[in-house]
Amino acid sequence: QKEVEQNSGPLSVPEGAIASLNCTYSDRGSQSFFWYRQYSGKSPELIMFIYSNGDKEDGRFTAQLNKASQYVSLLIRDSQPSDSATYLCAVRPGNTGKLIFGQGTTLQVKP
Amino acid sequence: SAVISQKPSRDICQRGTSLTIQCQVDSQVTMMFWYRQQPGQSLTLIATANQGSEATYESGFVIDKFPISRPNLTFSTLTVSNMSPEDSSIYLCSVPLGPQLGGYTFGSGTRLTVV
Repeated sequence: QKEVEQNSGPLSVPEGAIASLNCTYSDRGSQSFFWYRQYSGKSPELIMFIYSNGDKEDGRFTAQLNKASQYVSLLIRDSQPSDSATYLCAVRPGNTGKLIFGQGTTLQVKP
Repeated sequence: SAVISQKPSRDICQRGTSLTIQCQVDSQVTMMFWYRQQPGQSLTLIATANQGSEATYESGFVIDKFPISRPNLTFSTLTVSNMSPEDSSIYLCSVPLGPQLGGYTFGSGTRLTVV
């Protein structure tokens, strides 16, 4: 079992729709969870991080964390073609500084 | 938040040679991390660069192949030694964004092709 799992996609949604990206993790001791966006040929860019159970909203993005079920999700409202990218879920185990990444989900937003 | 300057941005190298990648941060950071992203894959942590002590390597990565220097709190290098085509990847350094910001930022990456 991989430590951080994501559906590689591609996930295709029409412009204006809600895109839902999911991630599960195996280490129950994980404390911090991150969503990164990576455009082709570019380095990852932090979208959001979440530490506590529940929802965290930032503009069109909402991160959801359920530690009991060991999953993290990212909702993108009013999806735009510019949101088309690979979304990487990352987990920080315990109090370490390192991140463990999922394989990423490719999102395609069609005009 | 911290800003990283990474170089070179890309290189094409002959097998058996070595390449040193540099990351300069515009502020002092305790931890710096080196990742590898193989073609079509996600990021894998190579090692944590510690100032004043040896780097801490992840399983599957060894110091002889990926020596790391960390002479001060703003700079680190990663060397890819005795390269083979399997080392063709993007190499990225990463540091915490800032004490109150959470998350980590990445350098622009070094795209290495070994021929």
